[in-house]
Amino acid sequence: GAGVSQSPSNKVTEKGKDVELRCDPISGHTALYWYRQSLGQGLEFLIYFQGNSAPDKSGLPSDRFSAERTGGSVSTLTIQRTQQEDSAVYLCASSLNVRLTKNIQYFGAGTRLSVL
Amino acid sequence: KQEVTQIPAALSVPEGENLVLNCSFTDSAIYNLQWFRQDPGKGLTSLLLIQSSQREQTSGRLNASLDKSSGRSTLYIAASQPGDSATYLCAVCYYGNKLVFGAGTILRVKS
Repeated sequence: GAGVSQSPSNKVTEKGKDVELRCDPISGHTALYWYRQSLGQGLEFLIYFQGNSAPDKSGLPSDRFSAERTGGSVSTLTIQRTQQEDSAVYLCASSLNVRLTKNIQYFGAGTRLSVL
Repeated sequence: KQEVTQIPAALSVPEGENLVLNCSFTDSAIYNLQWFRQDPGKGLTSLLLIQSSQREQTSGRLNASLDKSSGRSTLYIAASQPGDSATYLCAVCYYGNKLVFGAGTILRVKS
């Protein structure tokens, strides 16, 4: 596609439910990143993939958060047993290759998650 | 701890003014530094990327500089326009390609 696509754009869920957020990267981009933007914390890194592997999961806040990437393309971020503090905008980005020093990350519009 | 600080937090200027946004970072072992723009309800748009070996980058009315030794970067916007109103984010890329973001500068350009 022309850009990074995220779905849904908005998600409202009840506390304790599981949610899945989807990211379609730019075609041909081998690297994919997840970030979270919340009012109190700013923009923070969650996880990145090179191909289908996740070399750095250091930003995942707890074991309720997981992510996978299949076929070197689409990625899904799953949050289990959602809590109110999970409410935030979840942003996905992709880039050509992490091994490039000029590695521009292109961002999607995000998924706004509200946990009631 | 890798931290990025942006000053000022907000800025309001009349149209036509030149302005400078500041970014400082604590860990100088960077891969590159990027400036992004974020419009309300939208994702981030990359404006400029400066590699660790470079001192500055220019794109149109934008110029970004990098001083690794002092842990500072500036984004200079010439002849500001109302369409420049947005939040500007500085992000430092470290080994492993994770971006560490500042809190942003909210810019308003008044016509």
